[in-house]
Amino acid sequence: QQQVKQSPQSLIVQKGGISIINCAYENTAFDYFPWYQQFPGKGPALLIAIRPDVSEKKEGRFTISFNKSAKQFSLHIMDSQPGDSATYFCAATLNRDDKIIFGKGTRLHILP
Amino acid sequence: KAGVTQTPRYLIKTRGQQVTLSCSPISGHRSVSWYQQTPGQGLQFLFEYFSETQRNKGNFPGRFSGRQFSNSRSEMNVSTLELGDSALYLCASSLTPYEQYFGPGTRLTVT
Repeated sequence: QQQVKQSPQSLIVQKGGISIINCAYENTAFDYFPWYQQFPGKGPALLIAIRPDVSEKKEGRFTISFNKSAKQFSLHIMDSQPGDSATYFCAATLNRDDKIIFGKGTRLHILP
Repeated sequence: KAGVTQTPRYLIKTRGQQVTLSCSPISGHRSVSWYQQTPGQGLQFLFEYFSETQRNKGNFPGRFSGRQFSNSRSEMNVSTLELGDSALYLCASSLTPYEQYFGPGTRLTVT
């Protein structure tokens, strides 16, 4: 019940296309859903996040869509660029237990 | 503000040896978490320390241990190294679970 399931494991998208990464969770007590971006040789860094009382959040080319009833959320990268090539992790936090649960990650490669 | 620093950045050890990794959190952050990252398993949570106390623990054997000092700096130790312990070990500090600040990691290779 503490898991966050992320798909796909890897993704190849043409430059200018839309990259979509999906995550699903079971525990309805999760209270915050961040996405982290990791470039080779670096640690993950917070990219964008959403609270469960909001259905969508947009920051530049990055959008989180959140479906509370389906217990799913997704990251959309519009006009994908080669510089977006990285590993993306979705996560869910349980603030009352001071916990954050990460998905297994998606390796995104944007073709030039 | 300086970021999370980890030392050493790279390490090569032999099976059976032990290793100690160090993490200095962002100033003011009292929570430090450790993760093991491998290609097939993603980010696996090892443990979290807050004010020198282990607050959460993942599903790793007792060979993996950690501690936190009064200045919030943290160390993790792996004893009796196995080949499967080869991984990137990441440290993250935070004020709340909502945002973790990761260091660059220590790449451990066990031969």
